[in-house]
Amino acid sequence: DAGVTQSPTHLIKTRGQHVTLRCSPISGHKSVSWYQQVLGQGPQFIFQYYEKEERGRGNFPDRFSARQFPNYSSELNVNALLLGDSALYLCASSLKAYEQYFGPGTRLTVT
Amino acid sequence: GEDVEQSLFLSVREGDSSVINCTYTDSSSTYLYWYKQEPGAGLQLLTYIFSNMDMKQDQRLTVLLNKKDKHLSLRIADTQTGDSAIYFCAEIGRYGNNRLAFGKGNQVVVIP
Repeated sequence: DAGVTQSPTHLIKTRGQHVTLRCSPISGHKSVSWYQQVLGQGPQFIFQYYEKEERGRGNFPDRFSARQFPNYSSELNVNALLLGDSALYLCASSLKAYEQYFGPGTRLTVT
Repeated sequence: GEDVEQSLFLSVREGDSSVINCTYTDSSSTYLYWYKQEPGAGLQLLTYIFSNMDMKQDQRLTVLLNKKDKHLSLRIADTQTGDSAIYFCAEIGRYGNNRLAFGKGNQVVVIP
């Protein structure tokens, strides 16, 4: 079975632009979580969705939003990009709440 | 609150055992995890332990949990060059929304 997939793998944007990152969970998994990993740090929780409903939100500004679709895939949107948004964005899917499996991530560079 | 601390760097010779340590502050943590991240890659779930256990062994990996001291360790037996990576410990706490709280990671370099 395929693991968690994310697209694109790399992205370069300029300050002020908007970005959409995509995630497809492992087949059968209904929960998707998003994390931001700044270089040299551990991942920080952004959002969690289960059955298309938001179940948790981390300490991120309103410029960050997400949604989950009926097929359980998910999008993370970031508006008005700042240089500090440069990071690896990781998506994790889970069937059992306590087992989260991560995708390869999307590396976002904001210039 | 959720706060996980790790030391930063470990160098180990191939074939030796390596031990990575982690401390956490949330006494209500329900699950504690070890994830592995290779350069340029996502996170690989290595193992996890439920908070009512004090040890879990899975092939070359041994996890020890000391709840009194809020200390988690990962021992890798017969360390191999493919074990070179950054290792993150993480916890899920009391809030029930299953958000993982990660430490800053511990880089392990295996010397052939």
